[in-house]
Amino acid sequence: GESVGLHLPTLSVQEGDNSIINCAYSNSASDYFIWYKQESGKGPQFIIDIRSNMDKRQGQRVTVLLNKTVKHLSLQIAATQPGDSAVYFCAENPRRNTPLVFGKGTRLSVIA
Amino acid sequence: DVKVTQSSRYLVKRTGEKVFLECVQDMDHENMFWYRQDPGLGLRLIYFSYDVKMKEKGDIPEGYSVSREKKERFSLILESASTNQTSMYLCASSPLNEKLFFGSGTQLSVL
Repeated sequence: GESVGLHLPTLSVQEGDNSIINCAYSNSASDYFIWYKQESGKGPQFIIDIRSNMDKRQGQRVTVLLNKTVKHLSLQIAATQPGDSAVYFCAENPRRNTPLVFGKGTRLSVIA
Repeated sequence: DVKVTQSSRYLVKRTGEKVFLECVQDMDHENMFWYRQDPGLGLRLIYFSYDVKMKEKGDIPEGYSVSREKKERFSLILESASTNQTSMYLCASSPLNEKLFFGSGTQLSVL
């Protein structure tokens, strides 16, 4: 079946370092991927998305990389700050007109 | 800014009660979704709707129903609340079946 998974359920990073959060997906037909950030007590917030015709997309301090060969997605956060501490979810759209499939999340803890 | 508003931030109900969770979005989005979120299980889809009066079962619809009488409002109903329905409930909307906009969530405790 379709599934989205994460390699690391928790990640601790020193403030100022770069963070890399990984996500594996199983459906090679997925054509859209998205990352969300969820802070404690809040709903998930959109960070960045990418379509399958791209392998890299950059935002403000964040970069998403897509490797379709190995079905791997990653979120890179540059110069990690305490405010980046949150749970990060990846999600994929395995088929048109079907809901996103979410991974279980990775908790990022930033050490000051 | 897109706003998805969930009527209650915290809710405490008793076993057997009928519970209504309300969600309103202000961006004229076609699609609306209800998820529940439990530690270690991530986001699980309960029901979704692609149009007014339309509903589709998600991955865990048992014990729930929904109502979408108006485009901007999507209600989740627990017909007879049980303790295993204690959870964080998240509503979301989207213009297409891609980028979702989430509400702040309702933490429901069933005693």
